[in-house]
Amino acid sequence: QLVQSGGGLVKPGGSLRLSCAASGFSFSDEFFSWVRQGPGNGLEWLSYIGNGGSPIYYADSVKGRFTISRDDAKNSVYLQMNSLRAEDSAVYYCARVADSSVDPWGQGTVVTVSS
Amino acid sequence: VVMTQSPLSLPVTLGQPASISCRSSQSLVHSTGNTYLSWFHQRPGQSPRRLIYKVSKRDSGVPDRFSGSGSGTDFTLKISRVEAEDVGLYYCMQGTHWPALSFGGGTKVEIE
Repeated sequence: QLVQSGGGLVKPGGSLRLSCAASGFSFSDEFFSWVRQGPGNGLEWLSYIGNGGSPIYYADSVKGRFTISRDDAKNSVYLQMNSLRAEDSAVYYCARVADSSVDPWGQGTVVTVSS
Repeated sequence: VVMTQSPLSLPVTLGQPASISCRSSQSLVHSTGNTYLSWFHQRPGQSPRRLIYKVSKRDSGVPDRFSGSGSGTDFTLKISRVEAEDVGLYYCMQGTHWPALSFGGGTKVEIE
């Protein structure tokens, strides 16, 4: 199970940190990704983090602005989002990555970037 | 890798079959020989739930009326007899061309 927190309303150029707490499996062995779903319902992969914190990958749309991290002691994955833009407004999901697929997904958290 | 789903909208009759197509711009056969194509279902207000992985493997708890098939660049999700709980959005996703997972645009299934 993945339980997300964070998100909300932020002004353009602002920052937010999303959190994703895992339970029910051996967290430190697992890999995770963040995926977002925009207003048109399309799904966009954003970032990946391996066990031990590497490797890390980002989609071009967020590279240099978003940072993925994990804290194995807290069974949590994070997405630090800086320099937010209106087009970053979406529902953000964390998900476990296994065998080149994603399952399960967190419940999602809404991020709205607006002045 | 671009994933293209069709149709965008699928009106279905309860008890009747339904089929969704997914095509990839590149072959999804991995160097290992596996094909990493998954299907997800998203009900309104919920997060996506995986139904199928590696083209045809059903996840635990997924009814056997759902089946996946295909190879290379062409894939299909079939529902043998649609039930009311099957409404929502369906997405295909490729995981072969790592690390950038890519999703189809989605197919909305609704009851006629």
